[in-house]
Amino acid sequence: GIQVEQSPPDLILQEGANSTLRCNFSDSVNNLQWFHQNPWGQLINLFYIPSGTKQNGRLSATTVATERYSLLYISSSQTTDSGVYFCAVPNSGGYQKVTFGTGTKLQVIP
Amino acid sequence: DGGITQSPKYLFRKEGQNVTLSCEQNLNHDAMYWYRQDPGQGLRLIYYSQIVNDFQKGDIAEGYSVSREKKESFPLTVTSAQKNPTAFYLCASSMAGSYGYTFGSGTRLTVV
Repeated sequence: GIQVEQSPPDLILQEGANSTLRCNFSDSVNNLQWFHQNPWGQLINLFYIPSGTKQNGRLSATTVATERYSLLYISSSQTTDSGVYFCAVPNSGGYQKVTFGTGTKLQVIP
Repeated sequence: DGGITQSPKYLFRKEGQNVTLSCEQNLNHDAMYWYRQDPGQGLRLIYYSQIVNDFQKGDIAEGYSVSREKKESFPLTVTSAQKNPTAFYLCASSMAGSYGYTFGSGTRLTVV
């Protein structure tokens, strides 16, 4: 099956700093999602981005499907950005199944 | 507001007991999924269902069972055959033909 790796695995930022999270996948995909899991476990969909660039406030994401990677940019980080960020891509098994990446744990300190 | 409700938030189980985790959605989504998350790990698929009265095993289905008698509901039973059930369980749903997931807030199961 498709392999999805994220980097870095852990990241500590000072409040106000910018960061880039990366998601690499082993096969071509026709869509990709980014999720944020807050410290209480809730997963929130951030972006549905099969290709190109999207922006939502301080967050933006870029997917280059031909090169099999996606980037999530966080600007002017806030403590509420803390948590784990996952990317997810369709599983080759079909049926709308997705494979989640290994995750990046982000801690933003005041 | 539409969404997915999981209950209970915390559940304690004695060894040898079966427990059922509830997942209800009012999003009119056709597909529903159960994931397991262990501390510091990613999400692994347990079961999924595309339509009522039909469901498929995911990557780690052993020791679990599900039912899909109503479109809105997809309960997960953790049986005594699951040797290491302590984990965080997440339910999700999506529209037919869509990979866009909506997640519930999860259930933390602890075996005591």
